[in-house]
Amino acid sequence: QQQVKQSPQSLIVQKGGISIINCAYENTAFDYFPWYQQFPGKGPALLIAIRPDVSEKKEGRFTISFNKSAKQFSLHIMDSQPGDSATYFCAASYSSASKIIFGSGTRLSIRP
Amino acid sequence: EPEVTQTPSHQVTQMGQEVILRCVPISNHLYFYWYRQILGQKVEFLVSFYNNEISEKSEIFDDQFSVERPDGSNFTLKIRSTKLEDSAMYFCASRGTSGTKSYEQYFGPGTRLTVT
Repeated sequence: QQQVKQSPQSLIVQKGGISIINCAYENTAFDYFPWYQQFPGKGPALLIAIRPDVSEKKEGRFTISFNKSAKQFSLHIMDSQPGDSATYFCAASYSSASKIIFGSGTRLSIRP
Repeated sequence: EPEVTQTPSHQVTQMGQEVILRCVPISNHLYFYWYRQILGQKVEFLVSFYNNEISEKSEIFDDQFSVERPDGSNFTLKIRSTKLEDSAMYFCASRGTSGTKSYEQYFGPGTRLTVT
């Protein structure tokens, strides 16, 4: 119930391609779904987040697609660049004061 | 831009020793958190802290762990008697209380704890 399942575990994309990372959840009480980007030796940095009342949110090259009925959400990175190479975590939270529950992470590598 | 800071960046300690990890949250934030990340694994919640008391803690946060806000700026995590399995990256996070960004938690750079 508390888990957020993330796939794939690792992903290699050519420069300029689209990177897609998928997540699924069970707890319908979750009401906040952030994505974090983490570079080696650094803390997670908030990338983009969505609330379940919208189906899509776009910020620059990053888009979250949200399917409430399927309890799934995904991150799309358009025109992927080598600087996007990092580990990406989807996450969920169920109240404004709550802990964040992280997915297992996707290690993304963008090939030049 | 305001950021969460943590010290030290790396702490090496012997099993059974006490360690204190320090964090300075963003100045106007009122919710504080500790998370940990064992090498290569996901980030796990440890504890949340608000209004000078623990608001939630995970199963990991047993009697060996404690948190404190000793003054108006610092937030600390103490491990009384470290075990080998406590070796991990420990992240502090903080969150504001109002506005459209009230859900957003901002993470510090982490303290790498190595227990030998």
